Amino acid sequence: GNSVTQMEGPVTLSEEAFLTINCTYTATGYPSLFWYVQYPGEGLQLLLKATKADDKGSNKGFEATYRKETTSFHLEKGSVQVSDSAVYFCALRGMDSNYQLIWGAGTKLIIKP
Amino acid sequence: NAGVTQTPKFQVLKTGQSMTLQCAQDMNHEYMSWYRQDPGMGLRLIHYSVGAGITDQGEVPNGYNVSRSTTEDFPLRLLSAAPSQTSVYFCATSGRGTGELFFGEGSRLTVL
Repeated sequence: GNSVTQMEGPVTLSEEAFLTINCTYTATGYPSLFWYVQYPGEGLQLLLKATKADDKGSNKGFEATYRKETTSFHLEKGSVQVSDSAVYFCALRGMDSNYQLIWGAGTKLIIKP
Repeated sequence: NAGVTQTPKFQVLKTGQSMTLQCAQDMNHEYMSWYRQDPGMGLRLIHYSVGAGITDQGEVPNGYNVSRSTTEDFPLRLLSAAPSQTSVYFCATSGRGTGELFFGEGSRLTVL
């Protein structure tokens, strides 16, 4: 079945550091891939997505590239800010699903000033 | 722009009590769902619905009931609360084929 594995947290970085949060997946065919972010005390919100191989999703300085050959969708940001502190979730939607997402466990990111 | 509205935001129950978590959306989305979020467990799907009159079980449905009488509303009922149901509950909705879920702000439930 489909699954998503993301790096365990918490990840602690200093402000302006480079960020990578790893996400790999198992799925048949070409799923759609997503990163969601959850700020403290809030619900999740979509950060970026990619729907086909080699697509790059980007938003708020974050980027992730859909790599079919390595079944990965790693989240990156060149210079993090304290306001990026949050929990980040990687997710996929299988080709046979209109709605259901398969979720990673989430990675807590802590940015220190 | 209300989006997805959950009530109440906080609730404390005693074991055995019943309650309903409300979820309302104004985006005309077909799909509505309930998740629970527990430390170290990520998000787990409780129940979902793909339209009025249609509901189905997710990963952890035991102890919860749902109904979908209108497109807008998707209440989650706990008939006899247990301490294991202490959690943060999120309602999420989606339009067909988009894969983008819109989440409410969450309802924090404590069962004593």
